[in-house]
Amino acid sequence: EADIYQTPRYLVIGTGKKITLECSQTMGHDKMYWYQQDPGMELHLIHYSYGVNSTEKGDLSSESTVSRIRTEHFPLTLESARPSHTSQYLCASSEYLSGEGQDTQYFGPGTRLTVL
Amino acid sequence: DQQVKQNSPSLSVQEGRISILNCDYTNSMFDYFLWYKKYPAEGPTFLISISSIKDKNEDGRFTVFLNKSAKHLSLHIVPSQPGDSAVYFCAASGNSADKLIFGTGTRLQVFP
Repeated sequence: EADIYQTPRYLVIGTGKKITLECSQTMGHDKMYWYQQDPGMELHLIHYSYGVNSTEKGDLSSESTVSRIRTEHFPLTLESARPSHTSQYLCASSEYLSGEGQDTQYFGPGTRLTVL
Repeated sequence: DQQVKQNSPSLSVQEGRISILNCDYTNSMFDYFLWYKKYPAEGPTFLISISSIKDKNEDGRFTVFLNKSAKHLSLHIVPSQPGDSAVYFCAASGNSADKLIFGTGTRLQVFP
């Protein structure tokens, strides 16, 4: 099981502000992910990283950006927040389970963002 | 087009009984399936997984069954407990093994 931390847990902010959502994991996992989820909807992958200096966009288009300068840290930034960015943002990292022969993702507690 | 479908948005079960949550998928390239449990305002918690070489995997009160020909999997919880009340997400991955596709979730309520 991964120890993944996200801060802040809740954020209410005005339109136009720049925000950074923090995500850290202590397990040394190379692969990390950001998902966005709205109530009653599925999780959508918006960014992922396979290691330091590697970042890719996910299946859902997002105006956010990410960076991966250190293995344990994968922050997400919105340069100018808008009400349409209101959502829950979930960070995950993955561990290879040899018994299953597959990567399994473990999630942080999430950040609920509200943009007024 | 949703590749992973959870057609029941909610399920209510009495404590001690069996809970059965269903999930259907359309992509035959999926070969690894996972179930996550999510409480409000928290991140999903990994419950159990199954790879396509198996048709059943069991972990305590949780069992996942996979029917590849029907492209269907189910999560059985027995006996159900009030603490099991949460939203359960089914997820699948394929060739790109670590890109998970999620269903929309089923809200399980276990009442006394």
